Amino acid sequence: AQKVTQAQTEISVVEKEDVTLDCVYETRDTTYYLFWYKQPPSGELVFLIRRNSFDEQNEISGRYSWNFQKSTSSFNFTITASQVVDSAVYFCALSEGMDTGRRALTFGSGTRLQVQP
Amino acid sequence: NAGVTQTPKFRVLKTGQSMTLLCAQDMNHEYMYWYRQDPGMGLRLIHYSVGEGTTAKGEVPDGYNVSRLKKQNFLLGLESAAPSQTSVYFCASSYSVTGEDGNYGYTFGSGTRLTVV
Repeated sequence: AQKVTQAQTEISVVEKEDVTLDCVYETRDTTYYLFWYKQPPSGELVFLIRRNSFDEQNEISGRYSWNFQKSTSSFNFTITASQVVDSAVYFCALSEGMDTGRRALTFGSGTRLQVQP
Repeated sequence: NAGVTQTPKFRVLKTGQSMTLLCAQDMNHEYMYWYRQDPGMGLRLIHYSVGEGTTAKGEVPDGYNVSRLKKQNFLLGLESAAPSQTSVYFCASSYSVTGEDGNYGYTFGSGTRLTVV
C-alpha cells in the first residue's frame, strides 16, 4: 500500500533561517509522481512542485528547493531564508496507481511551519 | 476558467440530517476525487471516479455515497450525518493520461467546511 510519512509535525524557526521539511514515501508502483502542497491559514491547497519517478534531478525555484532521492525514498523540501509568509502547513503527496489507472493522491499528515519575525 | 468549484463552502448540520456536496469541474477531466481533511491527519481519500457513471471506494468511504451522472460533476452525499463527519472536504480532478511533457497534475477545489452538531 502507498504511504507517505512526514515525521515533523511542527517546526518553528526565526525569519531568515533555512528550514528543511522531510518526506519519506513507500510505493510498489514503478511510475509515480511526488508533490508538495502548501496550505496557508486561509485553507486552500497551493501546488508547489511535482516530480515524476524517472526524474531525480533536484530543483531550485527562488527560495525553494527540492531533493528527490529514490535510493532512500525521500523527497525533501527546503526553504532558504524563510519569511513570515511561509507560515503554513505543508503536505507531501504521492500519486498512486499510475500503472493501474487509479491515480489518486496519498497525502502525508503534514508539517506545520511557523516562521517567527 | 473556474477550475474546480465546490458548493457549499460552509455548512452546519444536525446529527441525522442529510446533505449533498457538489463538485463541478470545467476542464474535461476524466478523474474526480473526494477527500476529507481532519486535524493532524492530512487528506484522506473518500471516493473517486475514473469516468462518468463510475465510482469507487477510497480509504474512508463509510457513511458517504457518491454519484457521477455527468462528467463534470461529482456529488458526495451524507445520508445521516454524524459528528465524526465534521471535517473539511476537498474535491479534486485530473486527466486519465499523463501529459505529452511527461507530467501529471491535479486541480483542487477550495474546500467545504462541514460541522455536524
